[in-house]
Amino acid sequence: GAVVSQHPSRVICKSGTSVKIECRSLDFQATTMFWYRQFPKQSLMLMATSNEGSKATYEQGVEKDKFLINHASLTLSTLTVTSAHPEDSSFYICSAKQTNYNEQFFGPGTRLTVL
Amino acid sequence: AQSVTQLDSQVPVFEEAPVELRCNYSSSVSVYLFWYVQYPNQGLQLLLKYLSGSTLVKGINGFEAEFNKSQTSFHLRKPSVHISDTAEYFCAVSAQPGYSTLTFGKGTMLLVSP
Repeated sequence: GAVVSQHPSRVICKSGTSVKIECRSLDFQATTMFWYRQFPKQSLMLMATSNEGSKATYEQGVEKDKFLINHASLTLSTLTVTSAHPEDSSFYICSAKQTNYNEQFFGPGTRLTVL
Repeated sequence: AQSVTQLDSQVPVFEEAPVELRCNYSSSVSVYLFWYVQYPNQGLQLLLKYLSGSTLVKGINGFEAEFNKSQTSFHLRKPSVHISDTAEYFCAVSAQPGYSTLTFGKGTMLLVSP
């Protein structure tokens, strides 16, 4: 149980285009989902926290108009990178948790390359 | 706020040797502690966690960790490593109560050679 999937696993796009990444909890209801960004050989940096049905809370320094997060259902959250630039190239990882449960379950990640 | 320090960015070790990956944390409140493993181009897999109770926590793949409150440490150990243990290991902390967001250390790359 407690499986989180991400789609796509890899995406290559041209500079200036938008890319949507999906994060799904397959066998549980995720009241909270988290989006992380990981640069090569570095740690995970939290970008934002989203609760189902409400606006995401962004960490300091993360542009909310560039990284649009939607958590419209208890099993799906999406991250849209708008007007992507090469510096947005990174590994994006989502995680999900249930209410009052002390563990986040991580997705396999999405490798974004912006040309 | 919490912070996590993993002093070793890389730990080389020979197969079947023991290993310890160090993790220290700072927090003004009680914490939950976690170790995750990340294989290349993959997400994170939970190795083990400390929430409460016994300070010695056993996890998957033969790993264990000991919570030491006085030294604010949560070091990860394995008595005999395999080539397949080569991966990046992250220590993470979240605050009690209520379980807020995870704060990760910078990671330690475990390199197991024959």
